[in-house]
Amino acid sequence: GQQVMQIPQYQHVQEGEDFTTYCNSSTTLSNIQWYKQRPGGHPVFLIQLVKSGEVKKQKRLTFQFGEAKKNSSLHITATQTTDVGTYFCAGGTSGTYKYIFGTGTRLKVLA
Amino acid sequence: NAGVTQTPKFQVLKTGQSMTLQCAQDMNHEYMSWYRQDPGMGLRLIHYSVGAGITDQGEVPNGYNVSRSTTEDFPLRLLSAAPSQTSVYFCASSYELRGGNEKLFFGSGTQLSVL
Repeated sequence: GQQVMQIPQYQHVQEGEDFTTYCNSSTTLSNIQWYKQRPGGHPVFLIQLVKSGEVKKQKRLTFQFGEAKKNSSLHITATQTTDVGTYFCAGGTSGTYKYIFGTGTRLKVLA
Repeated sequence: NAGVTQTPKFQVLKTGQSMTLQCAQDMNHEYMSWYRQDPGMGLRLIHYSVGAGITDQGEVPNGYNVSRSTTEDFPLRLLSAAPSQTSVYFCASSYELRGGNEKLFFGSGTQLSVL
């Protein structure tokens, strides 16, 4: 079945440093979504990418969808303590209604 | 507008007991789903529904049943709880199934322990 892997599993950064998490799917995706989960909370939608090679920005966050629509990345510039949490990607596949989540990357920001 | 409401927030069961986790949404969403979250394994899809009367299996459906008699409600049933079902359970819903706007809205979760 479809698998979605994320790396790294954990990342500790100093406040102000950049952070990147990578998402790789075993199958071609129709779209990919990114979610953030604060400690003790529930996942909250950040963004959805649909087109091959698409790049979207939200303030300090930059999201990319690979040309082959099998991988994606989330880059945070100049991290802040408010960025702490676990970031998940979720892949959607054409013809199904299943959103398969990646294993997540837990980000810790040291002040 | 409450969004996605899950009850209970916490539950402790003994092995072999049954229970139902409740999920309700007031956003008129057609798509609803259940995920379980375990440390290091992310969120795994248990079951999902694309409308009233329609359900299908996700990645890890064994040991769980669902039904969708109304658009608003999507309960998850554990018929005979096992320690392996100790987890945090999230219900999620989405308005659009097509069109590039299928973002999921999550409930606050149910923390279940099976002893």
